[in-house]
Amino acid sequence: NAGVMQNPRHLVRRRGQEARLRCSPMKGHSHVYWYRQLPEEGLKFMVYLQKENIIDESGMPKERFSAEFPKEGPSILRIQQVVRGDSAAYFCASSPPLDSSYSGNTIYFGEGSWLTVV
Amino acid sequence: GESVGLHLPTLSVQEGDNSIINCAYSNSASDYFIWYKQESGKGPQFIIDIRSNMDKRQGQRVTVLLNKTVKHLSLQIAATQPGDSAVYFCAENFSHYFNDYKLSFGAGTTVTVRA
Repeated sequence: NAGVMQNPRHLVRRRGQEARLRCSPMKGHSHVYWYRQLPEEGLKFMVYLQKENIIDESGMPKERFSAEFPKEGPSILRIQQVVRGDSAAYFCASSPPLDSSYSGNTIYFGEGSWLTVV
Repeated sequence: GESVGLHLPTLSVQEGDNSIINCAYSNSASDYFIWYKQESGKGPQFIIDIRSNMDKRQGQRVTVLLNKTVKHLSLQIAATQPGDSAVYFCAENFSHYFNDYKLSFGAGTTVTVRA
């Protein structure tokens, strides 16, 4: 997971505030994924983005959550009007573009952003 | 729906012994699987992967076995060390497009190594 950079590592928000989580993919990677991990559970897919495009957001809650991956800068996962149930670890991952070689092509995770809603 | 599950939630192993962690998957069309190790407060760390055209793959001290007939995946760790204590997840890629990684994770097996 070296190379996928996430910040902040820990974030505390009061109910009703907004949380913004940032992710810079590994060098050379153009695909970004966001996953959420609730306590004592495995990771759950939320959204898959490429530069300026959302490819698959089937795991994203329909309200309050949004994600973007602009042409310049990191990917952002935005949670509006946070509630206590949003408290979780949010992991970003990245993978190389389609024209990469088959060998060694896989997805790597960052160290996560731990959101606590009080 | 498709799911990836593990047979045992915890595993206690003596240092130096071999560990075997099991995983069942339900989507027979899945063609890519990954094992991750996650330590407390950290992100999932890639251990080893396997594609469905293989039934065994070896890395450094780790071996992954894939049995497509019974939809079973296992991770074997040789000569388990204290540093191997962590939660281990198997993940199944339920996207069938090359280079598109939409993973389904199991709940994890907690491995504790006894000195």
